[in-house]
Amino acid sequence: DAGVIQSPRHEVTEMGQEVTLRCKPISGHDYLFWYRQTMMRGLELLIYFNNNVPIDDSGMPEDRFSAKMPNASFSTLKIQPSEPRDSAVYFCAIAYPRDTQYFGPGTRLTVL
Amino acid sequence: SQQGEEDPQALSIQEGENATMNCSYKTSINNLQWYRQNSGRGLVHLILIRSNEREKHSGRLRVTLDTSKKSSSLLITASRAADTASYFCATVWGSNYQLIWGAGTKLIIKP
Repeated sequence: DAGVIQSPRHEVTEMGQEVTLRCKPISGHDYLFWYRQTMMRGLELLIYFNNNVPIDDSGMPEDRFSAKMPNASFSTLKIQPSEPRDSAVYFCAIAYPRDTQYFGPGTRLTVL
Repeated sequence: SQQGEEDPQALSIQEGENATMNCSYKTSINNLQWYRQNSGRGLVHLILIRSNEREKHSGRLRVTLDTSKKSSSLLITASRAADTASYFCATVWGSNYQLIWGAGTKLIIKP
């Protein structure tokens, strides 16, 4: 977990509210990934960036989800409006060196 | 996006015994990796084996890869209570940097 900081660690919100998840990776990585993990669907890749540029967002469930990476040390995943089915643990991960990924501790999101 | 399937889905053994988990995948690969996830934590990289390698060791871990059968196994020797976790295999193929994940094996080590 040491290479990636995620905040908040836990988020409880009501349906319809906007949720912003944050990721602060260590410097020197090339790739940043956002994942979602649920018991039903396992670990799903939502989007990944290479040198701060989104490469593949085909895993983003729908237009309610958006992700940005304004610089190499910060990324956000936003859900607007949130729905109960978005409840999951969201992980940010970086790849350095190539192929091996280092995960943050995750954000547990509960949408009531 | 899951390509791999771990077998068994769950495994419960006594401390000190060896634990073996298997992973099967569908396409050709560049490498295969194993990760561990403790409850409530992020995944931690354990070991990577390249497609031209057949066996690799790291401490109490031994990984084998059979590309003809598209399968891999992870052996943990002399298991400890701290090995209790879920174990995932993930593959990389082509020039794509994505990891394709299996569903995981939940390992419980009984004291």
